Amino acid sequence: KQEVTQIPAALSVPEGENLVLNCSFTDSAIYNLQWFRQDPGKGLTSLLLIQSSQREQTSGRLNASLDKSSGRSTLYIAASQPGDSATYLCAVSGGQNFVFGPGTRLSVLP
Amino acid sequence: DGGITQSPKYLFRKEGQNVTLSCEQNLNHDAMYWYRQDPGQGLRLIYYSQIVNDFQKGDIAEGYSVSREKKESFPLTVTSAQKNPTAFYLCASSIDLRAGLGYTFGSGTRLTVV
Repeated sequence: KQEVTQIPAALSVPEGENLVLNCSFTDSAIYNLQWFRQDPGKGLTSLLLIQSSQREQTSGRLNASLDKSSGRSTLYIAASQPGDSATYLCAVSGGQNFVFGPGTRLSVLP
Repeated sequence: DGGITQSPKYLFRKEGQNVTLSCEQNLNHDAMYWYRQDPGQGLRLIYYSQIVNDFQKGDIAEGYSVSREKKESFPLTVTSAQKNPTAFYLCASSIDLRAGLGYTFGSGTRLTVV
């Protein structure tokens, strides 16, 4: 059964720092991987979707990489801003449903 | 604007009551999902539906029921058999089940047992 973990559970950084969030999954036979953002008390917003044949995806200040063989993905946020404060969740799909990690709670301090 | 609407935003349930959470989408998505979110945990899948009149149990379906009579609607009933229903419930949809393209979430319903 696929299991997804995320490290760290929480992260607090000063504004302007570059940072990396980590996601690990136990079964490398995935179809795709997504990173989501969740603001407190809200639903999730999709940030980046990486197909299994891809190594990375970029959107603005966000870059996500995927290493299927090692069961890892990273989300890189460049020049962090207070508006980036949220919980970031990764989710992997084996071709049917997504399995979600517990998330990393990010606080960017002004 | 296209999207997913969940209602109500807050719901209070007495012991032994059944309650129904509404989820409506106007994205023309085939697949719809219900998740439960508890503090410090990832989302857990309750039920999902690939097409109208078809739905499948997820990882924690016990104590819940769903229907998919219309493409746009996927209501979730929390029955009295669900012993610990207090949680944040999220509905989602996607273009199809397999690729997870266009994954869109509603804003959630917070259910509290009183």
